[in-house]
Amino acid sequence: EVQLQQSGAELGKPGTSVKLSCKVSGYNIRNTYMYWVNQRPGKGLEWIGRIDPANGNTIYAEKFKTKATLTADTSSNTAYMQLSQLKSDDTAIYFCAIELGAPFDYWGQGVMVTVSS
Amino acid sequence: EIVMTQAPLSVSVTPGESASMSCRSSKSLLYSNGITYVYWYLQKPGKSPQLLIYRMSNLASGVPDRFSGSGSETDFTLKISRVEAEDVGNYYCGQLLENPLTFGSGTKLEIK
Repeated sequence: EVQLQQSGAELGKPGTSVKLSCKVSGYNIRNTYMYWVNQRPGKGLEWIGRIDPANGNTIYAEKFKTKATLTADTSSNTAYMQLSQLKSDDTAIYFCAIELGAPFDYWGQGVMVTVSS
Repeated sequence: EIVMTQAPLSVSVTPGESASMSCRSSKSLLYSNGITYVYWYLQKPGKSPQLLIYRMSNLASGVPDRFSGSGSETDFTLKISRVEAEDVGNYYCGQLLENPLTFGSGTKLEIK
């Protein structure tokens, strides 16, 4: 069974960084893309970017190019997203998702990031 | 970027009846390979989104055949026949034709 397990909730102060993880079991992440999406409170889905864990190639949405950094560790089958220079606007749930048969067909449970002083 | 517009904002349905919702893209999602890159996702309350329909009309694994997707190059419809209580949630369409990937703002399905 394919499962994506995300790290726990984060509370970050403005101007600091947080690093989120997404550990995949039941599937080798070398064989898929890892996508990241956020959802601000009460809002819809927003695509952040994608990494190809096999070679580390990344694509970001324009507004996240200086905000998010995507990495992956194939030895532990885990993907990471670092969010830098946190602002209150970064408060959201962050999801990871992979592509087996179709993009976003398996999702993590989501992790709440709260930015507050 | 491609803008996805969903309507209605919400729909209220009696169990057993049908429901439909629409999604419009600002650009054709039909690629030269004949595939239309629109996808539908359901986010149940407090849960992660789940894939329902891929490439406009293909049912994702494990999704009941009460769900169906159709459309043209820019106008798309998700239909749910015989709505059940478990279908409650927010339905999002998304385009995966080009970066940045974009989603509609969602249609909320409620049960009467």
